[in-house]
Amino acid sequence: AQSVTQLDSHVSVSEGTPVLLRCNYSSSYSPSLFWYVQHPNKGLQLLLKYTSAATLVKGINGFEAEFKKSETSFHLTKPSAHMSDAAEYFCVVSDLASGTYKYIFGTGTRLKVLA
Amino acid sequence: EPEVTQTPSHQVTQMGQEVILRCVPISNHLYFYWYRQILGQKVEFLVSFYNNEISEKSEIFDDQFSVERPDGSNFTLKIRSTKLEDSAMYFCASSLLGAGGSEQYFGPGTRLTVT
Repeated sequence: AQSVTQLDSHVSVSEGTPVLLRCNYSSSYSPSLFWYVQHPNKGLQLLLKYTSAATLVKGINGFEAEFKKSETSFHLTKPSAHMSDAAEYFCVVSDLASGTYKYIFGTGTRLKVLA
Repeated sequence: EPEVTQTPSHQVTQMGQEVILRCVPISNHLYFYWYRQILGQKVEFLVSFYNNEISEKSEIFDDQFSVERPDGSNFTLKIRSTKLEDSAMYFCASSLLGAGGSEQYFGPGTRLTVT
């Protein structure tokens, strides 16, 4: 069965410094992986997705993630944090080969950006 | 940009009462989903719906739950007799395709409080 582990429940960074949000996955087949962001009182917004094309995926707002099969990881990074990046981030897995219709969510990482 | 909408944003109900949560998916999407997030826990899949029938459901989605697409635009989740443990944020999502790699678009959620 597929699963996702987000290694940090909270991450604090200073504005202008790099962001690293960690995600490891477990999947029997070739997975599709996503990062979603949730700002307070807002819906879940897709940041980026990996679906077996390029292993380095670029998303919106300067975020990117690298799929590393050998490490079963899909960490989210951004070179320079902005105050508006403060939100909750979810790593999500969905099995492409098995045709699973559902998303499996990680527990989320709350990013705090300090001025 | 098209978006998924949900009403109401917050619903308070008494234990044992029926509630209907409403969603308007993106108009050309064909697959619809409900997820929930109990406070402090991860987002969990409830059900997926395609071609007017349930395509997959989780263990959570028992006989107390039902979904319906009563017309061409709405997608509803009904809880027949609410329990305290049904208190959660409920998210509706839709996607154009149903395969595991298809991105899902989420609504802002309905916060259900059962007293």
